[in-house]
Amino acid sequence: SQTIHQWPATLVQPVGSPLSLECTVEGTSNPNLYWYRQAAGRGLQLLFYSVGIGQISSEVPQNLSASRPQDRQFILSSKKLLLSDSGFYLCAWSASPGAGPFFGPGTRLTVL
Amino acid sequence: QQQVKQSPQSLIVQKGGISIINCAYENTAFDYFPWYQQFPGKGPALLIAIRPDVSEKKEGRFTISFNKSAKQFSLHIMDSQPGDSATYFCAASKMSNQFYFGTGTSLTVIP
Repeated sequence: SQTIHQWPATLVQPVGSPLSLECTVEGTSNPNLYWYRQAAGRGLQLLFYSVGIGQISSEVPQNLSASRPQDRQFILSSKKLLLSDSGFYLCAWSASPGAGPFFGPGTRLTVL
Repeated sequence: QQQVKQSPQSLIVQKGGISIINCAYENTAFDYFPWYQQFPGKGPALLIAIRPDVSEKKEGRFTISFNKSAKQFSLHIMDSQPGDSATYFCAASKMSNQFYFGTGTSLTVIP
């Protein structure tokens, strides 16, 4: 069966500090991978998606970036965090065609 | 432009009642329509999904009704229970690479 992992579960960072969130998927090959952000009480905002190693599409211009160094690894990064980067970050995967996406447990990021 | 419009924003239902959440879309190329359930502090969990060649899909107390001509689909939760209290999201996808989510419905089931 497939499993998706995200870490850390929670993170408190000062403004201007760097960020690295990691996501890994087990039990599937060549998944589509996604990063979503969810502000408190709000919907799901797609940040990045990837259909393969090194292939990243950005949906929202911002100070965040994503990388996919391995087939089942997806990393979300920032060089300098802003207060507005606070939120619940969700990694997800889907198979092609047609199922999912399946979400990870999420990372709660608070920027102070 | 919101690709998928979801309503209502919040819903309060008595235990044992039927909860109905509606979604509408514009892009006729969408070919996959999942629903998600999210509890506070957790990632959304895939609940049930439907494809446009089917008008209804039922799994336990959860049913998706799909109206292709009206470009609408809805989630019905029969015999709603307090444990169903959560936020529900609809979504739509084309070729399963990009998913467009509704804005969510906060459901409260009161005992």
